[in-house]
Amino acid sequence: QKEVEQNSGPLSVPEGAIASLNCTYSDRGSQSFFWYRQYSGKSPELIMFIYSNGDKEDGRFTAQLNKASQYVSLLIRDSQPSDSATYLCAVNTDSNYQLIWGAGTKLIIKP
Amino acid sequence: DTAVSQTPKYLVTQMGNDKSIKCEQNLGHDTMYWYKQDSKKFLKIMFSYNNKELIINETVPNRFSPKSPDKAHLNLHINSLELGDSAVYFCASSQDLSGAFFGQGTRLTVV
Repeated sequence: QKEVEQNSGPLSVPEGAIASLNCTYSDRGSQSFFWYRQYSGKSPELIMFIYSNGDKEDGRFTAQLNKASQYVSLLIRDSQPSDSATYLCAVNTDSNYQLIWGAGTKLIIKP
Repeated sequence: DTAVSQTPKYLVTQMGNDKSIKCEQNLGHDTMYWYKQDSKKFLKIMFSYNNKELIINETVPNRFSPKSPDKAHLNLHINSLELGDSAVYFCASSQDLSGAFFGQGTRLTVV
């Protein structure tokens, strides 16, 4: 059974601090890794993807991938109250384009 | 111009009825999906089509039937609706191993 695990939270972070969200996956053959943000009552929105080991930065967001340890993380620098949302980790494990989803981590940025 | 659009946004219906949800994408993607998100916010894939061909058919009651008239459209028809079908249904599309882009969701309430 291919699985993606996330801590459900809520994770509470003060405004301006770094929020760190983590995700582990079970299938070593996983190829691509995605972070989505979902505001309450809205659809998931793709914010970052990463394919290779290491860090990938996009503005205030940094995705980190460690295939040996089978984890992927998302760092949000200078957290803003507007970053408060549920963050979903998704992993693509085969060429069938099927994404395996974590249950999401609820992030709360406190002013 | 909306990339992935689904209609209706809200659907309230009685048990036993048959209903359809329509989805269209103008991104030129080859793959489209239907997801169900229940009250616990877990995203569960239901179906996936690649170029009008069914490639993922998860364990879903056969009351649910997807139809893809062309690669830009993927509709979902549900027969004999049950209370447990109440959820938010998301349509999404993707290209190759890139991330999926979601429609705004259809909140289905069965009473």
